[in-house]
Amino acid sequence: EAGVTQSPTHLIKTRGQQATLRCSPISGHTSVYWYQQALGLGLQFLLWYDEGEERNRGNFPPRFSGRQFPNYSSELNVNALELEDSALYLCASSQVRVTGANVLTFGAGSRLTVL
Amino acid sequence: DQQVKQNSPSLSVQEGRISILNCDYTNSMFDYFLWYKKYPAEGPTFLISISSIKDKNEDGRFTVFLNKSAKHLSLHIVPSQPGDSAVYFCAAIGSNDYKLSFGAGTTVTVRA
Repeated sequence: EAGVTQSPTHLIKTRGQQATLRCSPISGHTSVYWYQQALGLGLQFLLWYDEGEERNRGNFPPRFSGRQFPNYSSELNVNALELEDSALYLCASSQVRVTGANVLTFGAGSRLTVL
Repeated sequence: DQQVKQNSPSLSVQEGRISILNCDYTNSMFDYFLWYKKYPAEGPTFLISISSIKDKNEDGRFTVFLNKSAKHLSLHIVPSQPGDSAVYFCAAIGSNDYKLSFGAGTTVTVRA
């Protein structure tokens, strides 16, 4: 069974540009979560998509947005990039909403560097 | 507001000895706690979890202890092996929650 796949692995952008990150969940998983891991910080919740809809978002500005496609894959868009957006962006999937028993499976992440 | 805290950013332990990782939380609505392990260039992988109705859960070399009154949990790795060198994240979720809340992680280095 293929795991959660993310692309690109690395991405370098300059301030003000836009970045698009992509994620394919595990087959059969309908929920996709995006987390940001900035240097020295834990995983900060960004967005949750389920059945094609944005279900909830974390405490991030509207520059961070995304969508989920009919095949449950997802993309994360970051507009007007700022230096502090440099981080590892992790995508995770689960069967429906994550619970204590229904754990998240993570991809390897996309490393975004903003110069 | 960081609801899950791992106050030790790093831990170094000799091979064969016990590794003890600590985690504190502030949200009393959390009722499930998880540990994830992350190697460089890989995503976090689920390691072990515990429900709030228990105070201990064991899986091979890994044991998680939960002290609800202190809002504290710990992960014990016995014996520690070089392959255990990784970043360990503590996470928590409530029954009405929709997301996992993570701590900042503890980097464990197992010395040969």
